[in-house]
Amino acid sequence: DIQMTQSPPSLSASVGDRVTITCRASQSIGSYVNWYQQKPGKAPKLLIYTASSLQSGVPPRFSGSGSGTDFTLTISSLQPEDFAAYYCQQSFFSPYTFGLGTKLEIK
Amino acid sequence: QVQLQESGPGLVKPSETLSLTCTVSGVSISGYYWTWIRQSPGKGLEWLGYMSNSGGTNNPSLKSRVTISLDNSKNQFSLNLTSVTAADTAVYYCASLIGNGNHNWFDPWGQGTLVTVSS
Repeated sequence: DIQMTQSPPSLSASVGDRVTITCRASQSIGSYVNWYQQKPGKAPKLLIYTASSLQSGVPPRFSGSGSGTDFTLTISSLQPEDFAAYYCQQSFFSPYTFGLGTKLEIK
Repeated sequence: QVQLQESGPGLVKPSETLSLTCTVSGVSISGYYWTWIRQSPGKGLEWLGYMSNSGGTNNPSLKSRVTISLDNSKNQFSLNLTSVTAADTAVYYCASLIGNGNHNWFDPWGQGTLVTVSS
């Protein structure tokens, strides 16, 4: 299986900060990475698909980049509603696998 | 818009079969791909498998314990997980698998349902 390693596992930041979350795949997976946001007690919500495409309705402060093995999710200016957990997921090869997540907390 | 809702027992005994149903509204399930994902504190998010009218596949880590089936007449799809143990305790989500070729993603998701395996 392809392992997806996210870092950091947790992150404290302030409203207005620029934040970057990293995901590294155990082998090259092209641009087959998606990013999800999950708030407590809720289902994950798609933010970014195929590494850099913004899902409809998602604010443009969210962006994704990368290819091969290294991918990033960037939030350009944190808003109060952005404090949540974030997960990467690969679709290059079955079984589809997720990273263990990054919990973004208020500093 | 497309909405999904899981239903089923919240408590299952060890060695028995976990059965969940996902009711889809806003679109016919025919012609699309439908999937189950679970989330537990110990293993994080785990994809279980997907199914469509043209076929599907499951996560090999679950061996042959997983069956996903479609009921086009009711616009529902189901998950059966046999021989459950405490390790199968998790929040189970149904979702739509969208994309083309290998570019696939899960959207939207149901709200999730907690299933506990305990005697």
